[in-house]
Amino acid sequence: AQRVTQPEKLLSVFKGAPVELKCNYSYSGSPELFWYVQYSRQRLQLLLRHISRESIKGFTADLNKGETSFHLKKPFAQEEDSAMYYCALVPSTLGRLYFGRGTQLTVWP
Amino acid sequence: KAGVTQTPRYLIKTRGQQVTLSCSPISGHRSVSWYQQTPGQGLQFLFEYFSETQRNKGNFPGRFSGRQFSNSRSEMNVSTLELGDSALYLCASSLYSGSGNTIYFGEGSWLTVV
Repeated sequence: AQRVTQPEKLLSVFKGAPVELKCNYSYSGSPELFWYVQYSRQRLQLLLRHISRESIKGFTADLNKGETSFHLKKPFAQEEDSAMYYCALVPSTLGRLYFGRGTQLTVWP
Repeated sequence: KAGVTQTPRYLIKTRGQQVTLSCSPISGHRSVSWYQQTPGQGLQFLFEYFSETQRNKGNFPGRFSGRQFSNSRSEMNVSTLELGDSALYLCASSLYSGSGNTIYFGEGSWLTVV
């Protein structure tokens, strides 16, 4: 069965510090992994897809199939990064997302 | 290019009533899925439609139903509303191509049941 685990419900860092939001998954096949961000009372926004290997707003994420992880990283956190971050998985060609419980990131000035 | 459009954005209903929410996906996207978001339960999958067929269904009671039309627009219906149905209902539109899935969300419909 598919499962996405985000072990940290809350994460706080100071501005300029590195940040890493953890995501582990379980799936027997080759999933697609995503990170979504939700700012206060706004829509879920697609941040990263592992397939595209982009860097958005300074965030990167590498899929580690051996450790079944897809951690989100940013070398220097900004106050505007404060938001809820969701890791999600799509099995195969289906459009359905399996979400983790989310990590609330707070960046202090 | 227009994004995912959900209507209505906000609504208040009374227990026992029913509600219909609408979602217009991004042009060209044939898959539409629905999620319920609450502070306690996070994001929970309701159902997914592709070309008017329900492909997946989450663990929600039969009071929750949906459908998709030939133009890919989708509606979800909740009958006999309960207080616990108060939530943000999110619609996602997706397109699968050679480079995988691209999935975008609408702003959601905030439902309050009183």
